[in-house]
Amino acid sequence: AQKVTQAQTEISVVEKEDVTLDCVYETRDTTYYLFWYKQPPSGELVFLIRRNSFDEQNEISGRYSWNFQKSTSSFNFTITASQVVDSAVYFCALNTPNFGNEKLTFGTGTRLTIIP
Amino acid sequence: DTEVTQTPKHLVMGMTNKKSLKCEQHMGHRAMYWYKQKAKKPPELMFVYSYEKLSINESVPSRFSPECPNSSLLNLHLHALQPEDSALYLCASSQGDRVINYGYTFGSGTRLTVV
Repeated sequence: AQKVTQAQTEISVVEKEDVTLDCVYETRDTTYYLFWYKQPPSGELVFLIRRNSFDEQNEISGRYSWNFQKSTSSFNFTITASQVVDSAVYFCALNTPNFGNEKLTFGTGTRLTIIP
Repeated sequence: DTEVTQTPKHLVMGMTNKKSLKCEQHMGHRAMYWYKQKAKKPPELMFVYSYEKLSINESVPSRFSPECPNSSLLNLHLHALQPEDSALYLCASSQGDRVINYGYTFGSGTRLTVV
């Protein structure tokens, strides 16, 4: 069975502060994919990043960065110099590739509020 | 076109009504998905279609009936729903194979209220 844990239910930070969202996963598969999605109030799930289990390189995209550590089964997400537009619910998700027959397992989400 | 389009955006229906949700993508993706999301909860998988065939049904009640008329279109037919079925219904599509997953593109959802 697969499981994703996002222990932080809600986080509030003042604008321009850095914030890290935690994600811990469980799977018995050796090949798997991890995702982060952003869900603004409008409801759409916006894709942020996809990482496969064989690629442990950290990634930076503008103000966003991700730290993947297989040793601790974690895939944490950091926003640098946060902005009000970053306010949203963020979901970490996991699946095993089996195209058309796979189930994306979501964490419970972290609601991030950036205070102006 | 890199979008998944869902219509309608909002729907209010009575418990005796029959309605349909529509999802469309023109990215050539061969897998399409229906998710249900209750307030303050993560999305939950309902159905998966792969190459226009139903591949996963997560024990969804029969009052929800999916349909995939072609590779670009996915419908969800609703009949005799209950108030607890009120939720955001999200459609997604993906491309890949048995060892590679290229990620999922989600639509903006249909917010359904059953009265």
